[in-house]
Amino acid sequence: GAGVSQSPSNKVTEKGKDVELRCDPISGHTALYWYRQSLGQGLEFLIYFQGNSAPDKSGLPSDRFSAERTGGSVSTLTIQRTQQEDSAVYLCASNRLSTDTQYFGPGTRLTVL
Amino acid sequence: GESVGLHLPTLSVQEGDNSIINCAYSNSASDYFIWYKQESGKGPQFIIDIRSNMDKRQGQRVTVLLNKTVKHLSLQIAATQPGDSAVYFCAEYNTPNGAGNNRKLIWGLGTSLAVNP
Repeated sequence: GAGVSQSPSNKVTEKGKDVELRCDPISGHTALYWYRQSLGQGLEFLIYFQGNSAPDKSGLPSDRFSAERTGGSVSTLTIQRTQQEDSAVYLCASNRLSTDTQYFGPGTRLTVL
Repeated sequence: GESVGLHLPTLSVQEGDNSIINCAYSNSASDYFIWYKQESGKGPQFIIDIRSNMDKRQGQRVTVLLNKTVKHLSLQIAATQPGDSAVYFCAEYNTPNGAGNNRKLIWGLGTSLAVNP
């Protein structure tokens, strides 16, 4: 079946612009995660959606970052007034409520000039 | 704070040899551990997992060992192949299952495995 998909695969933007990154989780997966990965680094947790519960936003680095998940499926990560330090690969993952294995999308590579 | 760390940031092995990637964790309450493989330009891919009620689990050419006494996790890859070259991450859940919606994966820094032909 289809895996987690993300779009765009690459995004180049100018400092100060807003960007939106999209994630389509695997159908039926109730949990959805956003991570950030800088070059050669591990995964930095950003935000976690679980069903209809309030999202865990504890990993968002600043108030310029926000995320929504509409209808319990597609999620959008928005970064306002982008800064150069926002440049990274943004990864989305999902898993079913009853299992713990996370399945990852290919990521969106964001470059802020 | 809670953390998962790796002993070796890089590992270089000869094709055909066995590889061992190590990971230390600090959360004694963790009940589930996962190894992921990340190839260049791709998202992490699940390799194998193990629950805290086990100390060993085998997959295809991979074995995960869990030593809860010393909070140590290892991934063994048998007959390493060039296609195994990647960054390997260990991850643990920060709370036991059923502890609430704050349950999330804590990731190690990763070990880069290079397989020499």
